Amino acid sequence: DIQMTQSPSSLSASIGDRVSITCRASQRISRYLHWYQQRPGKAPKLLIYATSGLQSGVPSRFIGSGSGTDFTLTISSLQPEDFATYYCQQSHNTPPWTFGQGTKVEIK
Amino acid sequence: QVQLQESGPGLVRPSQTLSLTCTVSGGSVSSSNYYWSWIRQPAGKGLEWIGRIYFSGSTDYNPSLKGRVTISLDTSKNQFSLKLSSVTAADTAVYFCASGYSGYNSFDYWGQGVLVTVSS
Repeated sequence: DIQMTQSPSSLSASIGDRVSITCRASQRISRYLHWYQQRPGKAPKLLIYATSGLQSGVPSRFIGSGSGTDFTLTISSLQPEDFATYYCQQSHNTPPWTFGQGTKVEIK
Repeated sequence: QVQLQESGPGLVRPSQTLSLTCTVSGGSVSSSNYYWSWIRQPAGKGLEWIGRIYFSGSTDYNPSLKGRVTISLDTSKNQFSLKLSSVTAADTAVYFCASGYSGYNSFDYWGQGVLVTVSS
């Protein structure tokens, strides 16, 4: 199985900050790396698909990038509603699909 | 817009079989455009993909669940289901049904989730 490691596990930031979360795969993967936001008690929500595709309805401050084994989710200007936990997920070649362990974004 | 809703018992006895159903609206489980998946999340922990089914009935499962999983389709009811056998306390989690475009294998749509507790 492909292991996905996110860093940091948690971070504190202020409104308006630029925030970046990294996801590293245990082997080179295709561009099929996706990012989700999960608020407490809610289902995850797809933000970014296939490394950099912005899901419909998601604000443009969410930016995905990367290739090979290293991928990044950047929030260009943190808003109050962005405080949540973020997960990456790979869908390279064949299942099982795997998720990162999550990054919790908290208010400083 | 596809909408998903999980249903099933919230309490399952150890060694028994966990059974959940996901009802789909706004889309068809007979569509070739989507896979239909189950994902779970223990309290305070991350997400684990359990398995998926395609409109043809073909399935893929997470090997970590060691052959305990069965996912099936009911096209007449526009539903898909999960059975997880020989459950233990480690299977206690919120279970989500989800679906996504078969081209990317992301999870575009999610149910709200259902908490299943394994306890005697």
